[in-house]
This record gives sequence, C-alpha cells and structure tokens, in this order.
Amino acid sequence: AQSVSQHNHHVILSEAASLELGCNYSYGGTVNLFWYVQYPGQHLQLLLKYFSGDPLVKGIKGFEAEFIKSKFSFNLRKPSVQWSDTAEYFCAVKDYGQNFVFGPGTRLSVLP
Amino acid sequence: EAQVTQNPRYLITVTGKKLTVTCSQNMNHEYMSWYRQDPGLGLRQIYYSMNVEVTDKGDVPEGYKVSRKEKRNFPLILESPSPNQTSLYFCASKEVDGGYNEQFFGPGTRLTVL
Repeated sequence: AQSVSQHNHHVILSEAASLELGCNYSYGGTVNLFWYVQYPGQHLQLLLKYFSGDPLVKGIKGFEAEFIKSKFSFNLRKPSVQWSDTAEYFCAVKDYGQNFVFGPGTRLSVLP
Repeated sequence: EAQVTQNPRYLITVTGKKLTVTCSQNMNHEYMSWYRQDPGLGLRQIYYSMNVEVTDKGDVPEGYKVSRKEKRNFPLILESPSPNQTSLYFCASKEVDGGYNEQFFGPGTRLTVL
C-alpha cells in the first residue's frame, strides 16, 4: 500500500526565513499529489495540487511545490515565511483508486 | 455557502455506548470520506463512498460503520466505541472525476471515549 513520509515533525523558523518541507511517497505510477494546511483549531485547506504537466506547482499564499518523479518527492517551499504561516502541513497522495493517503504532518512554528 | 458540516463537534462518551457522527455536504459531490487524525499519524482514511449505496473500506475501518442512503449525507457509526477510538474525525467530499478536484473538509468532531 502507498505510504507517505514527511521529513520533519516540527520546524521552527523566524519570520522572513525560507521554508522547505519534505514529502516522499513510497511507489510510483500515476499519482495525484497534494499539500494541505491546518491552522490551529481549523479543518484542512488545500494549498496546492499536482496532477500532470509542469512539475513546479504554485499554490495559494506564496507556496509552491516541486514534483520530482525519480525521487518520489513533492517538497513544499516558500521563500519568506510569515507568522501567520504557523500551522500543521500535510502531504497527501492519491494513486489508482480513491484512497487518499496522508503523511504524518509537519508542524511549523514561525517566530515573530 | 459551499460547505461540509459535521455534528456534533465535540462528544464525550463511554465504552460500548453506540454513537453516530453525522456529515452533510451541500455541493452535490458524489464522493465522501471519513478520516481520523491522531498525533504523529496524520489523517487515516476510515471509509469512503463513491456514490449512494456504494461504500468502501479505507485504511482503518475496524470498529466503524458507514451508510450512504442519500447523496448529501454520510454518517459514521461506532456500534461499540472503545478508548482507542478517541480521536479527531474529519469528513470530506469531492466530485468524482479522476480526483482532479480537491477534497473539502468538515470542521472536525473531537471524540473522547472513556
């Protein structure tokens, strides 16, 4: 079965620092890839998604992610984080069926 | 407003007392799904439904039941809850079209089983 790993459990950054959160999935084939964000006490919201085409995907709030098929990776990046980016971030994969597999999440704390 | 609603938002119960968490969406989505969220484990899919009367197991279906009698509703049933089902539960929905559209999530239901 598909599995998703996220490299960091908790990341602490100062405002204006650059962010990269790692995400790897376990096997290839045709996959759809997602990054979701969960602000404290709220439900998940979609940041960006990849289905096909340009492997560099731009999402909301200045986030982007790069799909590298050879590395089974879909890392999330933002050049300059803000305090309001403090949240938990989840990578997710949907493969051939309708089963979505989420990673364990990375908690981001941005210090003002 | 397009949304997924869940009720109740918070529930404390005791072992063995049957409970139902309701989920409803107003977007006419075919696909609905239930997840549980536990610290360090992310979201794990419990059950999903592709349409009315069509349901399938996700990764952690044990101890749960679902039904899909109407397109808009997808209740999660715990016939005999146990403490290991204490968790945060999310319902989600989306269109069925190869997965190109995102899932919309409900606000979550925090369940505690004593």
